[in-house]
Amino acid sequence: EAGVAQSPRYKIIEKRQSVAFWCNPISGHATLYWYQQILGQGPKLLIQFQNNGVVDDSQLPKDRFSAERLKGVDSTLKIQPAKLEDSAVYLCASSFWAMNTEAFFGQGTRLTVV
Amino acid sequence: DAKTTQPPSMDCAEGRAANLPCNHSTISGNEYVYWYRQIHSQGPQYIIHGLKNNETNEMASLIITEDRKSSTLILPHATLRDTAVYYCIVNIQGAQKLVFGQGTRLTINP
Repeated sequence: EAGVAQSPRYKIIEKRQSVAFWCNPISGHATLYWYQQILGQGPKLLIQFQNNGVVDDSQLPKDRFSAERLKGVDSTLKIQPAKLEDSAVYLCASSFWAMNTEAFFGQGTRLTVV
Repeated sequence: DAKTTQPPSMDCAEGRAANLPCNHSTISGNEYVYWYRQIHSQGPQYIIHGLKNNETNEMASLIITEDRKSSTLILPHATLRDTAVYYCIVNIQGAQKLVFGQGTRLTINP
């Protein structure tokens, strides 16, 4: 079974630039998560989708971060403009809804803002 | 916010059982205990979960105390590949919201 795919794996940008990350979840998984993991910390949930609707985006910095999942499958996370403190690994995960809360994670995208 | 407390780090000898504790004293009756681990430079990986009964799978065993205020993840025969950060998460079944804490950094020594 194919896992959660993320791209790019690495990205280096200057502050105030914009960046986008892409995630393709496991086929059939209705729930999709985006996490931010700063070095040395546990993953922090940014946004959770159920199909193409947002379940929880309470910790998403909406002045600069946005995410969409238009057809209920792939998702993109965008940062505009980036700040130095956005340097982190951005993880995407997916799971079935309700029946099985085991989440599968992608490898992540390591973002460095300079 | 995470509802669990874990020691920041632990060491274990290769081949021995690794016992990772987790306190979740405010757990509610419908909240499950989940364990994930994160090997360096990889995304977190699901290990096991349970409600009140002890659980075992091919990776580990989960022992939950009778009052459900704490649990222990047991890796029966630890190998070097088990070196990772282990996260204990309390989650409402069906709520699908995974809130990670700081976890326990487990180092398996040869």
